[in-house]
Amino acid sequence: QQKVQQSPESLSVPEGGMASLNCTSSDRNFQYFWWYRQHSGEGPKALMSIFSDGDKKEGRFTAHLNKASLHVSLHIRDSQPSDSALYFCAASDSGSWQLIFGSGTQLTVMP
Amino acid sequence: SVLLYQKPNRDICQSGTSLKIQCVADSQVVSMFWYQQFQEQSLMLMATANEGSEATYESGFTKDKFPISRPNLTFSTLTVNNARPGDSSIYFCSSEGTGEDTQYFGPGTRLLVL
Repeated sequence: QQKVQQSPESLSVPEGGMASLNCTSSDRNFQYFWWYRQHSGEGPKALMSIFSDGDKKEGRFTAHLNKASLHVSLHIRDSQPSDSALYFCAASDSGSWQLIFGSGTQLTVMP
Repeated sequence: SVLLYQKPNRDICQSGTSLKIQCVADSQVVSMFWYQQFQEQSLMLMATANEGSEATYESGFTKDKFPISRPNLTFSTLTVNNARPGDSSIYFCSSEGTGEDTQYFGPGTRLLVL
């Protein structure tokens, strides 16, 4: 079983809408989480990190972490066509810097 | 942040041959990582490379198949030995930003093995 699971596998939202992506870890050693975005033909780029319970907001992006349930989510408000990409949740245990990636969510924002 | 460059961008090789992928950072970094990604799938951590020590490989990846060198704090190479069609994928190098909690990725090397 993959240690970091994402849902949904794909998601379509209208321009200006809210996109919500989910990620769950099955390993309690994972205490640090990141969201990455990968446009076609490019390397993954970090959107934000979240290490503490609760919400973290950066512009249109809000991440939420619940360590008790090992669940992290990403919410994108006012979605833009340029947000269309593959989104990955990544997790790490303390200090290792070795990232374990989820299976990804393909987001399509329709103009 | 740190910028990572990879060479080549893409390569096509015949089964049984070896090829080398280079990764250069624009600043000194402690650890460099190599990941493998099959078409639009998850990224799999292959190995961790620190200067002056042998790379540490994850399950499913071996030193004989994917030797990695890390001669200094800005450079690393990944070699794919005895390439097979199943090795056709994208290979990324990455490293942490100095004093940051974020890992940065290179643009990737797209490998096709015929």
